[in-house]
Order: sequence, then C-alpha cells, then structure tokens
Amino acid sequence: DQQVKQNSPSLSVQEGRISILNCDYTNSMFDYFLWYKKYPAEGPTFLISISSIKDKNEDGRFTVFLNKSAKHLSLHIVPSQPGDSAVYFCAASAPRGSTLGRLYFGRGTQLTVWP
Amino acid sequence: EAQVTQNPRYLITVTGKKLTVTCSQNMNHEYMSWYRQDPGLGLRQIYYSMNVEVTDKGDVPEGYKVSRKEKRNFPLILESPSPNQTSLYFCASSVNKGARREKLFFGSGTQLSVL
Repeated sequence: DQQVKQNSPSLSVQEGRISILNCDYTNSMFDYFLWYKKYPAEGPTFLISISSIKDKNEDGRFTVFLNKSAKHLSLHIVPSQPGDSAVYFCAASAPRGSTLGRLYFGRGTQLTVWP
Repeated sequence: EAQVTQNPRYLITVTGKKLTVTCSQNMNHEYMSWYRQDPGLGLRQIYYSMNVEVTDKGDVPEGYKVSRKEKRNFPLILESPSPNQTSLYFCASSVNKGARREKLFFGSGTQLSVL
C-alpha cells in the first residue's frame, strides 16, 4: 500500500508563475520529508527537506510546507523556470523500529514549465 | 568528484541468465540502497545496507540479492532474471546510517531489459 502519495502525475505551469506540487502520506510515524528532482537519463537529486517539528522550510525559490494534521506537504517553486521541468518525488521516513533505513517515495509528479 | 557509479548503464539479457549490477561510491558513506523505478509506480526500495555486512529488505526484494562486503560497493544480483524485472535501477548512498537526516546521492541509473 502506498504510504506516500502524489496524486497528480503531471503539472504544467507558465514560466514566472508559481508551481505547487502536492504530497500526502498515511503513516503518522513519518517525521522527516524530502523532495527529490529527477531529469531524464539522470539519477534523482536532493532538493529540499523538512522535519516534522517545522511547518515550513525555504531554500531560495523552493519552499516546502508541512501540515501534520492533514498529513500533507507541498513544494512551492516561485518563480518557476523552464529548467525546473523535471519529475519531482516526495519521500518520507520514520524515526525508529524496523523502518529505520527505509525511505518511502511517492510516484512522482512531472512538472513542465513552458515559456 | 563525489559520486555514485553504477555499471552497466544499459543491459539487455534473457530470462534466467544471472547478472550483477555494480554500485560503488567514493564518499565513505555508510548507508547504501537500491531502488527500481517503473512507470506509474515511482521509486521502490529493493534492499538497503546500513553498514558493511548489514543488509535488509525494502519493499520489493523478491528475485534480488545484495551483498556489502566492503563499504564502497553494494552490488545488486539477479540470479534468475525474469521479464517483470525489466526496470530502471538506481543505487544510492548517504553519509549516515539512517538516511533520515541526510540526503541520498543517486547513481545515474541502469536500464535493464529482460527478454
């Protein structure tokens, strides 16, 4: 069963506008969340992360918001640029027990930023 | 240059012919992991290793073996490949044991086709 869900397989945004990518999770034990970006023919690369003790983390044009009560996080890209066109994966991990060492990924969202 | 190196980049084989995909990292990372990426399914964890001689199953370990005899290498072995193992495979590593607080570094991927 998918514990991390990205329900939008694709998103198309005009250059300069805001891109909002969404991610939902079902496991209340998750306490750390990450976003990875993947270009074709390359491996995923880390983009930004957030701990459950925070509700927002910002890095340049990228901001991740966490709503623990809704088990929802979102990645905002402002302003969007054509170079941001990639697949974005949401990932989550839990702190203890048998799941230590496990990182659960969503299915990804293909972002296309058009000029 | 810090990197995770996978070989081969592309591999076509036939059902039942044993194969090994190699993975090596030069960052002295303790944690290493294998993922497969399939259309519509995102990244799924196959096996991971918290340290030398310590390995554990991920979400989809059936049909795969791994070994971690030395810190830098984490080969993925398919003893009797089947067509449902046709996929894009990624090796990843991170600096600490848990991979929870540290970002994963991914290799460039191995596209495997099993006929």
